[in-house]
Amino acid sequence: EVQLVESGGGLVQPGGSLRLSCAASGFSFSTYWMSWVRQAPGKGLEWVANLRQDGSEKSYLDSVKGRFTISRDNAKNSLYLQMSSLRAEDTALYYCARSNKGGSFDYWGQGTLVTVSS
Amino acid sequence: EIVLTQSPGTLSLSPGERATLSCRASQSVSSSYLAWYQQKPGQAPRLLIYGASSRATGIPDRFSGSGSGTDFTLTISRLEPEDFAVYYCQQYGSSSWTFGQGTKVEIK
Repeated sequence: EVQLVESGGGLVQPGGSLRLSCAASGFSFSTYWMSWVRQAPGKGLEWVANLRQDGSEKSYLDSVKGRFTISRDNAKNSLYLQMSSLRAEDTALYYCARSNKGGSFDYWGQGTLVTVSS
Repeated sequence: EIVLTQSPGTLSLSPGERATLSCRASQSVSSSYLAWYQQKPGQAPRLLIYGASSRATGIPDRFSGSGSGTDFTLTISRLEPEDFAVYYCQQYGSSSWTFGQGTKVEIK
């Protein structure tokens, strides 16, 4: 069974940093692109970042470029999102998702909540 | 960036009725890269359709997707009680992924 379990969310002050983790199991992690998608409270879905299987290719939402870094450790079946210079508008539930056919996201974790507030 | 606009914002229907949800793109989207998701309160999204018309694993055949270019449609042939939820379309292109704002299907 495919499982994605996020952790690392919490309350952080504006300008602060946070590192999210996603532990994957039930599939061959090293053979899939992986993504982070977020959802602000009561709002829709917003793709944040995407990472190739070997970590050689990354893409980011414009508003997080230069502030967020996506990475992975295939030996640990884990995906990460290092977030810095956090803003109030980054407040959201952050989902880890597996990228699959046609750029779709076929499996999602349950999310980890990031709240940016003073 | 391709903007996806979903309509209507809310669809009020009864169980057993047919639901037709629209997703319009600001520029042409490859059919290979258009997906639909269902999200229920407190749950993660679930992939329904990828490649505009292919059902994901385990998705009932009452869900179908169609369309091309800038106009795509998700159809639920007969609404079951568990189908009342929010639905999102999503596209991929030029190393960027975008979602529509969602359509809520509610019980009339």
